[in-house]
Amino acid sequence: SQQGEEDPQALSIQEGENATMNCSYKTSINNLQWYRQNSGRGLVHLILIRSNEREKHSGRLRVTLDTSKKSSSLLITASRAADTASYFCATAGFNKFYFGSGTKLNVKP
Amino acid sequence: EPEVTQTPSHQVTQMGQEVILRCVPISNHLYFYWYRQILGQKVEFLVSFYNNEISEKSEIFDDQFSVERPDGSNFTLKIRSTKLEDSAMYFCASSEGGGGGAMDEQFFGPGTRLTVL
Repeated sequence: SQQGEEDPQALSIQEGENATMNCSYKTSINNLQWYRQNSGRGLVHLILIRSNEREKHSGRLRVTLDTSKKSSSLLITASRAADTASYFCATAGFNKFYFGSGTKLNVKP
Repeated sequence: EPEVTQTPSHQVTQMGQEVILRCVPISNHLYFYWYRQILGQKVEFLVSFYNNEISEKSEIFDDQFSVERPDGSNFTLKIRSTKLEDSAMYFCASSEGGGGGAMDEQFFGPGTRLTVL
């Protein structure tokens, strides 16, 4: 299976702290994307990193990709209570995505 | 900002009934997808669609399921004879395409919650 799997499954931090989530996958990929999902809601795209990229930034988000280790990390800096959500990595094969089980992030005010 | 829309937001049906879930992808997108998420579980790929035909489908997407783009704007998922285990959130997504389609960012709709009684 090509599925990405996130680690940890749950993370609880104080507002202002950084949150790091990791994703591991099994086979080669075209790209890896991170999504956010608020409880019972749709998926919001956060950032896409291509297989030939190593790091990408978007606002308070930093994503790294290590294709040799088949892993990616998502760092949210200076977290806010509004960042509380589930975060998923999705690996792209040809015309389909594989989602992991997600990391539930709880940011306490 | 353009967005993917889905209707209805919630569909309740009896086991064995047919349901059609509707999606309006972003207008200049070429690739369309359906996913489902059973409560508390991961998002699962069902099918991708390009140039009026299925590109890829998962093992979940059996003969009970079909997709169609009946006109220039709608993209539908039909479940012919619903089962209890079809109860889930169904998400539609679209991407601009190019570079293999799956290489592009997918924009997701808000989902349709299907409840099969």
